[in-house]
Amino acid sequence: LAKTTQPVSMDSYEGQEVNITCSHNNIATNDYITWYQQFPSQGPRFIIQGYKTKVTNEVASLFIPADRKSSTLSLPRVSLSDTAVYYCLVASRVGTGGFKTIFGAGTRLFVKA
Amino acid sequence: DAGITQSPRHKVTETGTPVTLRCHQTENHRYMYWYRQDPGHGLRLIHYSYGVKDTDKGEVSDGYSVSRSKTEDFLLTLESATSSQTSVYFCAISPAPGDTEAFFGQGTRLTVV
Repeated sequence: LAKTTQPVSMDSYEGQEVNITCSHNNIATNDYITWYQQFPSQGPRFIIQGYKTKVTNEVASLFIPADRKSSTLSLPRVSLSDTAVYYCLVASRVGTGGFKTIFGAGTRLFVKA
Repeated sequence: DAGITQSPRHKVTETGTPVTLRCHQTENHRYMYWYRQDPGHGLRLIHYSYGVKDTDKGEVSDGYSVSRSKTEDFLLTLESATSSQTSVYFCAISPAPGDTEAFFGQGTRLTVV
């Protein structure tokens, strides 16, 4: 399973765009890139997933270059409630479906007023 | 939120005693996972299940066993608890096939004294 490396922490201000980059040099052909958000005393919550190029949903965008060795989570116009830990992980398919993942230590994002 | 319940939510136990944590889901998802979370390590996969009676090891499985006799229940057993197993344990479920989005429970805080 591919391991990931991401910044330990980041600070931002309300209303700014935040980009968190993750490296996953050993990603395999069939692996997917997934990002989760975790608030204190809660389980992680899925944000977005992608395989290549760009994926966008209602809360974030995910940019993946052609070599797929890194990815960038983009959070537009963050608010104080976006203060959380963000995990980048690589999901490897197991069996006939489902995925096995390795979480890194995550990036602690602190949004200031 | 996905129908996933962990019990107990908090437990204190003595070194050497067996402990069983329960994860119950109402989503009928095929895949279930047990993670532990420790400061500085993010989440680490202990065991996972890809169906009734079908389980496999994760990256930190030593000292843990699991059982899944019904789709809805995934049990994690610490056969002889040690202080190094003091942690927060999360259960997760995911639909299959081909979906990397997992839903996490609220966690169980286990303290081994």
